[in-house]
Amino acid sequence: GENVEQHPSTLSVQEGDSAVIKCTYSDSASNYFPWYKQELGKRPQLIIDIRSNVGEKKDQRIAVTLNKTAKHFSLHITETQPEDSAVYFCAASIGGYSTLTFGKGTMLLVSP
Amino acid sequence: DSGVTQTPKHLITATGQRVTLRCSPRSGDLSVYWYQQSLDQGLQFLIQYYNGEERAKGNILERFSAQQFPDLHSELNLSSLELGDSALYFCASSGNRETEAFFGQGTRLTVV
Repeated sequence: GENVEQHPSTLSVQEGDSAVIKCTYSDSASNYFPWYKQELGKRPQLIIDIRSNVGEKKDQRIAVTLNKTAKHFSLHITETQPEDSAVYFCAASIGGYSTLTFGKGTMLLVSP
Repeated sequence: DSGVTQTPKHLITATGQRVTLRCSPRSGDLSVYWYQQSLDQGLQFLIQYYNGEERAKGNILERFSAQQFPDLHSELNLSSLELGDSALYFCASSGNRETEAFFGQGTRLTVV
């Protein structure tokens, strides 16, 4: 089955810096890659996703890039703010109601 | 509010007991997923149902079982509970081909 590796497990940055979280996946059939943000004690919430027919997607301060050849994708957060502090999960699936396989998460801490 | 409802929010029970967790998916969503989240394991996929039928099975113990009813709500049954079963149990639902999953707020299970 699919295996998703996520790095780093923790990331500390200063407010205003950029943060990058990287994931690799094993199943070349995977074609849907969402990112979830989970604040302490709350549900994971989808923040951005990308499908295999595009290489990059942006939404304000958040961007995701995908390299299908290398089977890795990354989350980029620019101009970080303290409210960005949370655990971020990447995931992969082959789409069409198939299961999402999650990475183990990255705890992002943004210091004022 | 994601539209996915889970009950109860908190559950404390003793080892050896059996509990049932309930999930109501978003209106119109046919697919329900169950995930277990513990501190050291991230989001572990347990099982998926689609329109009443089991579609995929992950790392679900034999002591655990689930079902999806005709009205599409789902129940996760956990029996012979052990201390290590203490975790957050999330339900998620999706309703289109793109596998965008929306999570409920979770049930925090504590086994004492």
